[in-house]
Amino acid sequence: EAQVTQNPRYLITVTGKKLTVTCSQNMNHEYMSWYRQDPGLGLRQIYYSMNVEVTDKGDVPEGYKVSRKEKRNFPLILESPSPNQTSLYFCASSPYHYNEQFFGPGTRLTVL
Amino acid sequence: GENVEQHPSTLSVQEGDSAVIKCTYSDSASNYFPWYKQELGKRPQLIIDIRSNVGEKKDQRIAVTLNKTAKHFSLHITETQPEDSAVYFCAASSGDKIIFGKGTRLHILP
Repeated sequence: EAQVTQNPRYLITVTGKKLTVTCSQNMNHEYMSWYRQDPGLGLRQIYYSMNVEVTDKGDVPEGYKVSRKEKRNFPLILESPSPNQTSLYFCASSPYHYNEQFFGPGTRLTVL
Repeated sequence: GENVEQHPSTLSVQEGDSAVIKCTYSDSASNYFPWYKQELGKRPQLIIDIRSNVGEKKDQRIAVTLNKTAKHFSLHITETQPEDSAVYFCAASSGDKIIFGKGTRLHILP
């Protein structure tokens, strides 16, 4: 089944404790993105990747890192999480940026 | 930076009536305009998209129109049904990025 998976689905952590949210797609898509969704602010792109080893900043990259060592995986890293990073995070993939994006199920992160 | 404005933020329509959601974008080079629907607790899913070389596209009860000169595009839903209740997001490509609007919560009233 073609899909985008994210783990964990829910995470409660404390300020400053490094965490990684994994994202994997099995559709051989070139383009992958991370978004955060906050009430009233819609979906904001954090980072995106056009291909393996190619990543770039979206609109809200501060406090986040990503890597794209393999085509299928695009982990989101929070080196030192802060409470303002409490949000719902979605990973998405598409053949290219001008195609339909397929979203993962979301990760609800709470930083205390 | 590039921006996508979406209006209204909330829309209530009687079942069977039409709903229209409007978006404007700032990057004149944008060439791809998708619309996503997000039901409560679910992930966003594409419902329709349009490219800059097309002025209108229809898929059953859903249509999207694009006015490149004015830099705006709209989603039209006809004969609304209870299952149309959701949050709708417009988006526009800007270079390699995708910029989303802030969303419209659509309520279908019985």
